[in-house]
Amino acid sequence: DAKTTQPNSMESNEEEPVHLPCNHSTISGTDYIHWYRQLPSQGPEYVIHGLTSNVNNRMASLAIAEDRKSSTLILHRATLRDAAVYYCILRGNYGQNFVFGPGTRLSVLP
Amino acid sequence: GAGVSQSPRYKVAKRGQDVALRCDPISGHVSLFWYQQALGQGPEFLTYFQNEAQLDKSGLPSDRFFAERPEGSVSTLKIQRTQQEDSAVYLCASSLVRIPPNNEQFFGPGTRLTVL
Repeated sequence: DAKTTQPNSMESNEEEPVHLPCNHSTISGTDYIHWYRQLPSQGPEYVIHGLTSNVNNRMASLAIAEDRKSSTLILHRATLRDAAVYYCILRGNYGQNFVFGPGTRLSVLP
Repeated sequence: GAGVSQSPRYKVAKRGQDVALRCDPISGHVSLFWYQQALGQGPEFLTYFQNEAQLDKSGLPSDRFFAERPEGSVSTLKIQRTQQEDSAVYLCASSLVRIPPNNEQFFGPGTRLTVL
């Protein structure tokens, strides 16, 4: 699976938007971009995924660059519950296994 | 509805002891994955089952690690002769299918193994 790079940590104030970047310059045409997050003492949970177009769901939005070499996870209004490690993962359409990096640790300040 | 459950949640073993970790996936989920997560790191893939067939065990770190899913539902990860470097959180995940688009993985809370 192609490699992703993310900042080690980010901070946000509560109720403000958060933009979590991910670089994936070696992405292939069939790789999906997945985001998972892991709250303290829990297993990872699905956030969102996309292929080429921007995606929105109840949790977040995913903005994918036109060349697909980077993407941004957008939390529209951060809450204290959003404090977690966020993982950006590439996965091919043949069901390859997830390859997690160290992720971005998001701290949300009250 | 019930999610993925794992037991025990915590396990302390003496070095050299054998341990067995259990995963109950979401009912009807075909795919089951095991991951190992060391402190401060992201999960690392261990092995994958499609129903009862173990299709990929490339991530198992040594022959002391063994996983099974005999009836295509519950899975057990067994570690023989535990070593201190086996201390980690062991995560189980299941998904309805393996290939997109319905391949969201649902993770259990993990089993934290400490080897003394």
